[in-house]
Amino acid sequence: EAGVTQSPTHLIKTRGQQVTLRCSPISGHTSVYWYQQALGLGLQFLLWYDEGEERNRGNFPPRFSGRQFPNYSSELNVNALELEDSALYLCASSWDRPPRETQYFGPGTRLLVL
Amino acid sequence: DQQVKQNSPSLSVQEGRISILNCDYTNSMFDYFLWYKKYPAEGPTFLISISSIKDKNEDGRFTVFLNKSAKHLSLHIVPSQPGDSAVYFCAAWGGATNKLIFGTGTLLAVQP
Repeated sequence: EAGVTQSPTHLIKTRGQQVTLRCSPISGHTSVYWYQQALGLGLQFLLWYDEGEERNRGNFPPRFSGRQFPNYSSELNVNALELEDSALYLCASSWDRPPRETQYFGPGTRLLVL
Repeated sequence: DQQVKQNSPSLSVQEGRISILNCDYTNSMFDYFLWYKKYPAEGPTFLISISSIKDKNEDGRFTVFLNKSAKHLSLHIVPSQPGDSAVYFCAAWGGATNKLIFGTGTLLAVQP
C-alpha cells in the first residue's frame, strides 16, 4: 500500500512569491492535515481538510490556504512568501479524525525562501 | 503556549539498555496521545498511541505509559538499538483544540 506522497521534495523561492505544495493521501483516507516544521521547532498544525471541507486551521496568517479535491488529494498555497516561511511542510492523512484514527505522514516538502 | 512539552532535547543510551523518553502536557482535556519517530529529511513515522482511558500500551519493544494525574506520558524502548536513533515526538489530541499538538521532540542517540 502506497503511503502519503508529497511534491515537490524541495523548492527555492524568493520573498513575495507564491508557492503550491501538493499531497496525495493514503488510499481510502479522507482527512488530510498540513504541518509546518521550521528549523529547530516542533510540528505546528496548519490546516485540516476532511471530505473537501476545511475543518480547522492553526495560528497562521490567511496567506496560508489550501483545498482538498474530490479524490482527497490536497494543495497548500502560500502567498507573499516571507523568509520565515522557510521550513519543512508535512502532509498527513487519516481515515477519520483522531482519536479514532492515527495520522500518517508523508516525506515532506522542504521550502527555502531567499 | 506550549501545551505539550518534551523537556529533554536529547538523550544518549547504550545499545541494549532501556530508553525512556518523557512528555508533559497541560490540557486535561487531551484524550489521545501518540508517539512518532522522525529521521532527518523524512516525515514522522507513527510508533504507538494510547487513549486516556488506559495507563499502558505495549507494542513489541515499545511501551507507552500515561499518568493522567501528573499529566505525563513516557515512551520506553527495550532493548534500544542503534536504528532507534532519531527524533521522537509526542503528540496529543482532544479537548477543544480539534488538532494534534506536538512536542518539540527529543533526539535519541543509541550508542553501539
